[in-house]
Amino acid sequence: DTAVSQTPKYLVTQMGNDKSIKCEQNLGHDTMYWYKQDSKKFLKIMFSYNNKELIINETVPNRFSPKSPDKAHLNLHINSLELGDSAVYFCASSPTSGGSGANVLTFGAGSRLTVL
Amino acid sequence: QQQVKQSPQSLIVQKGGIPIINCAYENTAFDYFPWYQQFPGKGPALLIAIRPDVSEKKEGRFTISFNKSAKQFSLHIMDSQPGDSATYFCADTGAGSYQLTFGKGTKLSVIP
Repeated sequence: DTAVSQTPKYLVTQMGNDKSIKCEQNLGHDTMYWYKQDSKKFLKIMFSYNNKELIINETVPNRFSPKSPDKAHLNLHINSLELGDSAVYFCASSPTSGGSGANVLTFGAGSRLTVL
Repeated sequence: QQQVKQSPQSLIVQKGGIPIINCAYENTAFDYFPWYQQFPGKGPALLIAIRPDVSEKKEGRFTISFNKSAKQFSLHIMDSQPGDSATYFCADTGAGSYQLTFGKGTKLSVIP
């Protein structure tokens, strides 16, 4: 049983389209994240939710909108896709948002987004 | 923003060699220093972590060395194998932050 599962694994779309990525965790963790990994493998946090509440919102274009319907799910919707949005997007979860538990992340397998 | 400086960017070693990856942090929040391992096409996975009340931790062939005064921690891989070829990330959460910041990664290639 996959601990953190995200769909789709691959996404190819045209500029200007809107797309969503879904994430679910079955670990019972309180905190979920979206990270973006660029072509140089640099991992940058985008958002974090703790028990459905947004706690981290990095400098990300407002075309990116996360939604957490419950603490086991965190989705990412992207409007008006641009070429620079092409990357691998990782969902992750951790037991807590604070303390050393915040440093123990379980990642999904990633969603590779290609914008043409 | 919290900085975590990782080096080298890439590393090539022969099978059986001992690659060493270094990480320097600024002001940590939680005193828990992890290393993550990422294989191509997969998400990063927690490999090993250390608390600063010890200077070294071993798990199998992987060892973390920690130097609190220098604000540095290192990953050593003993008897490296081709299957260890991956990208390795150190990480830390800065003081006053909920945000786990990753180093820029080290791509390790172990040649048979």
